[in-house]
Amino acid sequence: EVQLLESGGGLVQRGGSLRLSCAASGFTFSTYAMSWVRQAPGKGLEWVSSISGGGGSTNYADSVKGRFTTSRDNAKKALYLHMSSLRVEDTAVYYCAKSGGAHGDYEYWGQGSRVTVSS
Amino acid sequence: DIQMTQSPSSLSASVGDRVSITCRASQTINIYLNWYQQKPGEAPKLLIYAASSLQSGVPSRFSGTGSGTDFTLTISSLQPEDFATYYCHQSYTAPPTFGQGTKVEI
Repeated sequence: EVQLLESGGGLVQRGGSLRLSCAASGFTFSTYAMSWVRQAPGKGLEWVSSISGGGGSTNYADSVKGRFTTSRDNAKKALYLHMSSLRVEDTAVYYCAKSGGAHGDYEYWGQGSRVTVSS
Repeated sequence: DIQMTQSPSSLSASVGDRVSITCRASQTINIYLNWYQQKPGEAPKLLIYAASSLQSGVPSRFSGTGSGTDFTLTISSLQPEDFATYYCHQSYTAPPTFGQGTKVEI
C-alpha cells in the first residue's frame, strides 16, 4: 500500500524558513517523480515543485522560485521541501504527491502539512 | 501558462442525478488531463487520468471524455459520497495547472 506522510509544518514568521518532509512507502521510490502541491485556505490547488526520480531535475512555480528548494533522499525514501524567505501568501496546506507515470497525473497524495506564515 | 477553466463553479444536485463538469484549456493539451475529487479536510484523490482512463478502485459511475482543449467529467448516478469539490489538472506542459474547482452540493 502506497503511503505518503508529510511532517514539518507549523507557524513561522514572515521571512523565516521551514523544511517539510514526506516519508514514502509501498512503492519503489526512486522510480517516480514526486511533486509538492499546495492549497491556501479556502482556495484551489497550486502546483509548487517537482523533482525527477533520480533527483537530478527540479522545477518550480514562479511564485516560489529562488525561495524554495525540493530535494529527495532515495535511500531514505524521503522527499523534502526547504522553504525560505516565507511570505504570508505561502500560508497553505502542502501536499506531497507521487507521479502516476507517463501522463503526469498525481496518483497518490499525502495527508498534507499545514504551514502558516504570520506577519 | 495554460489556463484551465472549469464550469460550473458549483452545482446543486440530488442523489441519482447525472452530473457533468467541463474543463477547458487555453491551448491544446492533447489528452494530458486529469480529474481529482477532494472532500473537506482531505487530500485530493485521483479519479481519471489521461482524459478518460479510470484510476484503479474508482467506481465506474465516473467517466471522462475529451481531447485537445475541451474535457468533461461525468458522474452517471450521483451517490451521497460524491458530494465534494472536483478539480481538473493539465500535465501537458510545465507549469502544471489546475482548474479553479467545481463544488458539487446537495
